[in-house]
Amino acid sequence: DAGVTQSPTHLIKTRGQHVTLRCSPISGHKSVSWYQQVLGQGPQFIFQYYEKEERGRGNFPDRFSARQFPNYSSELNVNALLLGDSALYLCASSLPDRAGNTIYFGEGSWLTVV
Amino acid sequence: AQSVTQLGSHVSVSEGALVLLRCNYSSSVPPYLFWYVQYPNQGLQLLLKYTSAATLVKGINGFEAEFKKSETSFHLTKPSAHMSDAAEYFCAVRDQAGTALIFGKGTTLSVSS
Repeated sequence: DAGVTQSPTHLIKTRGQHVTLRCSPISGHKSVSWYQQVLGQGPQFIFQYYEKEERGRGNFPDRFSARQFPNYSSELNVNALLLGDSALYLCASSLPDRAGNTIYFGEGSWLTVV
Repeated sequence: AQSVTQLGSHVSVSEGALVLLRCNYSSSVPPYLFWYVQYPNQGLQLLLKYTSAATLVKGINGFEAEFKKSETSFHLTKPSAHMSDAAEYFCAVRDQAGTALIFGKGTTLSVSS
């Protein structure tokens, strides 16, 4: 079975531009989360979606937004990119939303803002 | 609020030596705790998790961790290090709302021959 898949794997954007990152969860998983991992740090929670509804939001500005589609795939959008948005963006999925469920991560999308 | 602290940003061991990576947690409710490993330029892979069942949790690749409530610790161990264990290791706790993982800053494990 395919794991969590993310696209693109690498991209370079200019300050002020917009970026869209995409994620397909493991088949049967209805919960999708997004994390930002800056070099040398642990991942930071951005959003969680379950059954197409936002269930949690981390401490990120409104430039960050996300959505989940009927097939449970998800997009993360970041507007007005800043140099500090350069990071590895990780998507994760899990079965129905229970705290003890394992969260599975994708390989990530490397975003470089220049 | 939940949090985790990983003691030691870098741990170096010789091949065949004991691996001990330290994690202390803070939680106002019974915690769900996780250890993930990240190899260079890759995503996170779950090593093991504690969900209030057995306090000694066995994971993949020979790793295990013991939940000690009195010490608020969840240290990761492996009896004998292998070169392939060299990676970044993250301890995480599920937040109180159950929506997010809160990660520590990570510990880089180096293994020398």
